[in-house]
Amino acid sequence: DTAVSQTPKYLVTQMGNDKSIKCEQNLGHDTMYWYKQDSKKFLKIMFSYNNKELIINETVPNRFSPKSPDKAHLNLHINSLELGDSAVYFCASSSSRGTRTYEQYFGPGTRLTVT
Amino acid sequence: GNSVTQMEGPVTLSEEAFLTINCTYTATGYPSLFWYVQYPGEGLQLLLKATKADDKGSNKGFEATYRKETTSFHLEKGSVQVSDSAVYFCALVSGGYNKLIFGAGTRLAVHP
Repeated sequence: DTAVSQTPKYLVTQMGNDKSIKCEQNLGHDTMYWYKQDSKKFLKIMFSYNNKELIINETVPNRFSPKSPDKAHLNLHINSLELGDSAVYFCASSSSRGTRTYEQYFGPGTRLTVT
Repeated sequence: GNSVTQMEGPVTLSEEAFLTINCTYTATGYPSLFWYVQYPGEGLQLLLKATKADDKGSNKGFEATYRKETTSFHLEKGSVQVSDSAVYFCALVSGGYNKLIFGAGTRLAVHP
């Protein structure tokens, strides 16, 4: 009954490779997010989708491409991986219905290590 | 722009000590304020929130009051436990699209 799940949990790969991280939520939410947490624990939003439409696109290299096949899934594809991409990537989801403040529920994270 | 500033850690306390983690913010409009907690090796969990001035959020013995006059949202707990050891993040949402802006996080270590 996991609310927000991510796969894989760990990803070790070499520079220059292309990799994807998948996220799924079973909360019935219509908005999903990707956050990056660096080695100093600093968290920053990367992207957000609402009803499969991209609504937040922060200053992120275009090697990163999110894709939302449906409201329950948000994937992150990274091309030509670089050492600086090593981080923990968190997926989150929320509902845009109801109250003004939309709590975000986070997945367990994917630790990406680029060697 | 919007930003959140937290006290630097680590904060090291003995069990049953009083905890305060300071958080101040800069935001346009009327932000909603949050505290998230990240236990070792896990994702973030919402600890508490406040959506308007003078609101007090509380959960699991933790409290924080939304102070508009001082633009602060300090986290407090009267008696910490070893199980409270984690990284605590203060965050805000302001404006549209529900974009969370996080502080740098404060690591709390509680010793028996």
